Amino acid sequence: TQLLEQSPQFLSIQEGENLTVYCNSSSVFSSLQWYRQEPGEGPVLLVTVVTGGEVKKLKRLTFQFGDARKDSSLHITAAQPGDTGLYLCAGGGGNKLVFGAGTILRVKS
Amino acid sequence: NAGVTQTPKFQVLKTGQSMTLQCAQDMNHEYMSWYRQDPGMGLRLIHYSVGAGITDQGEVPNGYNVSRSTTEDFPLRLLSAAPSQTSVYFCASSYMTPKNTEAFFGQGTRLTVV
Repeated sequence: TQLLEQSPQFLSIQEGENLTVYCNSSSVFSSLQWYRQEPGEGPVLLVTVVTGGEVKKLKRLTFQFGDARKDSSLHITAAQPGDTGLYLCAGGGGNKLVFGAGTILRVKS
Repeated sequence: NAGVTQTPKFQVLKTGQSMTLQCAQDMNHEYMSWYRQDPGMGLRLIHYSVGAGITDQGEVPNGYNVSRSTTEDFPLRLLSAAPSQTSVYFCASSYMTPKNTEAFFGQGTRLTVV
């Protein structure tokens, strides 16, 4: 069974600070995805990384896929209150995703 | 463009009752899945389908049944509800290409079994 471990579980920071969320596994994944979920809603895809060593940027968010395709990170620069939410990494195919437990991010103004 | 629609949004059941959670998608996706989300555990796969007439078990299938008679619909049946099935249930659909495995999720059904 493929497992994904996310850290930290909870992060509370001030507006303007930077942060990094990690997603690690002992298994190789063909791709990894990052989702963001708000209360009362389903997860929404932020990005998919498919190539080892790949770096993708989405405005203030930077996503990295490890060279061995076993880990990924999400870095947010100058966090804003609108970034508050649950961040989930997921691996595997679109219909059989394996999810990490998630990182709850709270950005205080 | 409705995407993935789940009903009901909230439900309270008594132990032993049965019910069906509905899921419909209008994106013509072949793949559909059901997940449950519990605090501190992320989302866990219950059942999935790769097309009409084809279903398979995920990580936590016990106590749940599914069927896929059409591309659009993928209902999840709880046969005899138990308090351990209290959770938030998400239906997802996806179109899979070699490098695009994005899953689209519904808004969820919050189920409480008392």
